[in-house]
Amino acid sequence: GAGVSQTPSNKVTEKGKYVELRCDPISGHTALYWYRQSLGQGPEFLIYFQGTGAADDSGLPNDRFFAVRPEGSVSTLKIQRTERGDSAVYLCASSFVGSGSGGELFFGEGSRLTVL
Amino acid sequence: QKEVEQNSGPLSVPEGAIASLNCTYSDRVSQSFFWYRQYSGKSPELIMSIYSNGDKEDGRFTAQLNKASQYVSLLIRDSQPSDSATYLCAVNGDTDKLIFGTGTRLQVFP
Repeated sequence: GAGVSQTPSNKVTEKGKYVELRCDPISGHTALYWYRQSLGQGPEFLIYFQGTGAADDSGLPNDRFFAVRPEGSVSTLKIQRTERGDSAVYLCASSFVGSGSGGELFFGEGSRLTVL
Repeated sequence: QKEVEQNSGPLSVPEGAIASLNCTYSDRVSQSFFWYRQYSGKSPELIMSIYSNGDKEDGRFTAQLNKASQYVSLLIRDSQPSDSATYLCAVNGDTDKLIFGTGTRLQVFP
């Protein structure tokens, strides 16, 4: 498809397990963003990539969270030793240029993570 | 102080009325301002962007920016029940990091 693709759409895991969430951005988009959203809240910034490099990872809550984008396209968000508080919808968005240049973010449908 | 603040609502308006949504931000160097709409259970989608002081109109939507007051607003004219959604204000500073507010839930009743 032509949009941002996120997999899995739904993930249920147990506390302490490792989780990977994948994002396939729109072809040609160099900027890629990860957010997480809890019920009734706005998207919370996690990390932003420009190409292969993390341009800003100031939103990652702690060292259990890590994200990569090795070839400048697909990105994986990795969460180690999951906790119940990690339960949320994880949103990925891509943009042709960064938002600072007025780039529109196109969001995927999200990956809903539930930690039991 | 939160970086982007919005009243969570709900804001209830009758069909055909003007809905006024407000947002304040804390970073004085912010240059780009956006309004995203999010329907329940769906992902955000961009409806307006604004970069300079004043008004910007697009159909039934008008975005207003006042950098001196660090204030952004969105007006929706002739509100329709299909406009019922959460409206997210988003702001970025001197980087491409985009920060969202908590959103204002709008309900348009027939």
